Amino acid sequence: AQKVTQAQTEISVVEKEDVTLDCVYETRDTTYYLFWYKQPPSGELVFLIRRNSFDEQNEISGRYSWNFQKSTSSFNFTITASQVVDSAVYFCALSEASYNFNKFYFGSGTKLNVKP
Amino acid sequence: GAGVSQTPSNKVTEKGKYVELRCDPISGHTALYWYRQSLGQGPEFLIYFQGTGAADDSGLPNDRFFAVRPEGSVSTLKIQRTERGDSAVYLCASSPGTSGANVLTFGAGSRLTVL
Repeated sequence: AQKVTQAQTEISVVEKEDVTLDCVYETRDTTYYLFWYKQPPSGELVFLIRRNSFDEQNEISGRYSWNFQKSTSSFNFTITASQVVDSAVYFCALSEASYNFNKFYFGSGTKLNVKP
Repeated sequence: GAGVSQTPSNKVTEKGKYVELRCDPISGHTALYWYRQSLGQGPEFLIYFQGTGAADDSGLPNDRFFAVRPEGSVSTLKIQRTERGDSAVYLCASSPGTSGANVLTFGAGSRLTVL
């Protein structure tokens, strides 16, 4: 079974629209970390955020915000006022205590197209 | 170095040939990881090193795949008798390796095409 599911394969928005990327995870561990990475067309994965399982506070960083809900096993990512430079593939990932946090499970990614 | 460096960036080979892919991690990072990314998919774990030893190689698909890190820095992923299904981008990442969940810093990848 997939440990990380990103059901949205591709999303297209017009610049300045808000967009939310969904991530649902599955784990039996009580201690785990969740991540979001961005993969622009250049191909290099860029770290965006890390969140541990004991911290359900939402986080905001500029135009980016993350909503972590353990009750629904979701860790969604919202981009406010999207820009063309946000166009990329975004990956959600999970690491678990049972693997000493060294085995990352990635979702299949959501490709975001932001049109001018 | 400043970032994770991978060579070659592109490799085209024929079915049955042997291939080596190299990764030079961030200086001082003790943990090194290899992932494979097929088209339209997320990275898939292959192997993880802590220092010189392979701490977890459970993601290697079969015995044609092997990786080494003899001096605890540079790592080489070796693929024998390549098959067309091995075509993918091979990503290397490193992290400080301290306890807790480390953030992985990825290289740009080596794109392998097996004809």
